[in-house]
Order: sequence, then C-alpha cells, then structure tokens
Amino acid sequence: GENVEQHPSTLSVQEGDSAVIKCTYSDSASNYFPWYKQELGKGPQLIIDIRSNVGEKKDQRIAVTLNKTAKHFSLHITETQPEDSAVYFCAASGSNYQLIWGAGTKLIIKP
Amino acid sequence: SQTIHQWPATLVQPVGSPLSLECTVEGTSNPNLYWYRQAAGRGLQLLFYSVGIGQISSEVPQNLSASRPQDRQFILSSKKLLLSDSGFYLCAWEPQGTDTQYFGPGTRLTVL
Repeated sequence: GENVEQHPSTLSVQEGDSAVIKCTYSDSASNYFPWYKQELGKGPQLIIDIRSNVGEKKDQRIAVTLNKTAKHFSLHITETQPEDSAVYFCAASGSNYQLIWGAGTKLIIKP
Repeated sequence: SQTIHQWPATLVQPVGSPLSLECTVEGTSNPNLYWYRQAAGRGLQLLFYSVGIGQISSEVPQNLSASRPQDRQFILSSKKLLLSDSGFYLCAWEPQGTDTQYFGPGTRLTVL
C-alpha cells in the first residue's frame, strides 16, 4: 500500500548548524509533497511544499528537494534557531483526496 | 483570508459519555474537510474526510462518526466514549483540487 518513511525520528543539532530530514514514498503517482511543522500543543503548520514538476524550492532558510526517480524528498533548514525546535512531518499525495504522512521528526536545537 | 476554528480546545469526558467536536472554516467555499487523531508523541491518523455536504468517507472502523451538515462545518461525534478515544483531534481543510491541507488548532480530549 501507500507508505511514507521519514528519518530520523529525532535530530539534535547545534544552533546555527543545518538540519536535514529525509522522506521516501512508495506511490509513483504521488505528485505533491508538503512539509509541516508542529509545535507542542498546536496544529501542524504548512512550512513549504513542492510539486513533482520542480526539483527544488527555497523559502529563506528552508528548502525542499525532490528526487522523483529515487522517490525521496528532503527538508533542509539552514542556520537553525531555537524557534526551529518542533516536530516536522512530511507527506505525499495519495489516492482518494488523502495525504500519506510520515511518522514525524523531533528536531532539537541545542544552544 | 481563510480561517479554521475548532472547539472546544480541551475536553475531559468520562468513559461512556457522548462526544461532539465541531470544526468550521471561514473565507472559502466547498472545501474538502478532514478529521485526524494524534496520540501523544505520535503521527497523524486520518479518521474521516468529506468532499461535500453529506459526503463522509471513513478510514478506520471505530465508535466515532462524522457529519457535514453545512458546507463549512464538520462535526465529529461518538455515542459512547472509550478510554482509547483519548488524543489530540485535528480538523483540516483543503481548497478542492490543491492537495494542500490547513490545520485547525486542535481539541485535546481526555477520557477518564
């Protein structure tokens, strides 16, 4: 069935360093790949997304790359700051109006 | 601009009691609507989705139900809550045809 694997489950980086979270999807028909940030006690917030006709997209310190051949996509955060600490979820478009979700990555920014 | 509301924000209910959680969206029409549940420290589990008034699709068998009485209103219900129904319930909306989902603030449900 449709599946998205997300790694790592926990990522600890020094403030100012870069963080990379990777996801692999199984459905070759997927053509939309969003990333969400969830702070404690809040709903997930869309931070960046990419469609299959694009290989990379940037928004200030955040970028997403997509490799359709290998069926994986990654979130890159540069110059990490304490407010980047949160749980990040990737997703891939599936059938029946659904998104297929990764299990989440807890990002910890060490001061 | 579009906004999504969920209430209540927190709820503590005894086992066997009924449940009604409400989600409303403003500033858009004919959105796709979704209910998710999130256990503590876990990922997102899709419960129900709706592509129009009165149209509900269920993803997991359970003692919960959903209804969409109006275009921008989505309700999650239960006749008798179980301990396992505890969790963080999230409503999301999607402009039709975009795949992009926007989440509400969530409802924290504790069943005792």
